[in-house]
Amino acid sequence: TQTVSQSDAHVTVFEGDSVELRCNYSYGGSIYLSWYIQHHGRGLQFLLKYYSGNPVVQGVNGFEAEFSKSDSSFHLRKASVHWSDSAVYFCAASQTGFASALTFGSGTKVIVLP
Amino acid sequence: DMKVTQMPRYLIKRMGENVLLECGQDMSHETMYWYRQDPGLGLQLIYISYDVDSNSEGDIPKGYRVSRKKREHFSLILDSAKTNQTSVYFCASRRHPNSDYTFGSGTRLLVI
Repeated sequence: TQTVSQSDAHVTVFEGDSVELRCNYSYGGSIYLSWYIQHHGRGLQFLLKYYSGNPVVQGVNGFEAEFSKSDSSFHLRKASVHWSDSAVYFCAASQTGFASALTFGSGTKVIVLP
Repeated sequence: DMKVTQMPRYLIKRMGENVLLECGQDMSHETMYWYRQDPGLGLQLIYISYDVDSNSEGDIPKGYRVSRKKREHFSLILDSAKTNQTSVYFCASRRHPNSDYTFGSGTRLLVI
């Protein structure tokens, strides 16, 4: 069974602080990993992805994520959060090379305080 | 502007009624998906469509069926809606296997 786990349901940070959102996966074979952001009442928007090459990938709005095969992880980070980063963040995974569907984690809600 | 459009945005139906959720995309993406989102559960895959009339069940297909007669349109049908199908439904499309998804804004369905 392929699973994606996000261990933190909620994270609260102050504006300007750094944040790390954790994602662990259980998949066999080559993997495609991504992060999405969902603002309240909206659809999901793509942040970044990894499927090969440099394990540290850069995304939009200062987000980056690091792939670790040994830890089965793909944690998302931002060095300095803004109030507009308040949202729910979803980690997702699928196998590469197929038109397979993404499996999503349960999401981490981030609240940025002024 | 490339996008996925879902209609309607909000829908209230009585138990036992039929429900049609529509999704359209203007990017000629072959692969499209229907997910439902419930609190604390993330997104759960209902159906995948690989192209016209080429559909496959996802993880939770029971109670749902789909139709894709044109590449740009992918419909989700609930025959005789149930209260446990109250949810937010998202449609998404993808250009190729290693590309990102483009999501619609969702349809909020309440079955009473």
